[in-house]
Amino acid sequence: GQSLEQPSEVTAVEGAIVQINCTYQTSGFYGLSWYQQHDGGAPTFLSYNALDGLEETGRFSSFLSRSDSYGYLLLQELQMKDSASYFCAVRDGSNYQLIWGAGTKLIIKP
Amino acid sequence: DTAVSQTPKYLVTQMGNDKSIKCEQNLGHDTMYWYKQDSKKFLKIMFSYNNKELIINETVPNRFSPKSPDKAHLNLHINSLELGDSAVYFCASSQDPQGRSQYFGAGTRLSVL
Repeated sequence: GQSLEQPSEVTAVEGAIVQINCTYQTSGFYGLSWYQQHDGGAPTFLSYNALDGLEETGRFSSFLSRSDSYGYLLLQELQMKDSASYFCAVRDGSNYQLIWGAGTKLIIKP
Repeated sequence: DTAVSQTPKYLVTQMGNDKSIKCEQNLGHDTMYWYKQDSKKFLKIMFSYNNKELIINETVPNRFSPKSPDKAHLNLHINSLELGDSAVYFCASSQDPQGRSQYFGAGTRLSVL
């Protein structure tokens, strides 16, 4: 089957660093995307990794290891506004549609 | 200007009714999508469409049908609404068919009574 696994909830402290993991099992692989969604809002695109390694965009970084079918989103210098759900998504190899993880709710405490 | 706009934002209706949700994007993107997000926040793709191809998630009931009058619009029509259709529906678009980065509308919260 095809699936993405990510933790349902992660708690961290303001100013700290947090890592949200995503492991995937799909019939093909064309890249791993990350999206952020605040409560009541729409998903917004954060990053995309097609090749192994780390991609950095400001306080957010995303990592991919294709051999391990694994990636993570790293958030640094956490701010209260980072409290949201984070989704990983992988493009399916058979029909080219995105398969989405169930999302990780990030709770940030002062 | 809103990049991806969908209307209405809220939709409350009775079981058995037929309703439509409209979506427009002004990004010049070639591919548009419809997603359903249930109360557990799980995002499920329903359709993806570009000017060449409609890809339908086979688990979507045929009561749901996308209609695209032009490249900038992809509307969602739902026949014979059921209680289980209550969810938030998101429209999205992407420049490339691979959908590496998608831009979402604000969502339509559908409540079927």
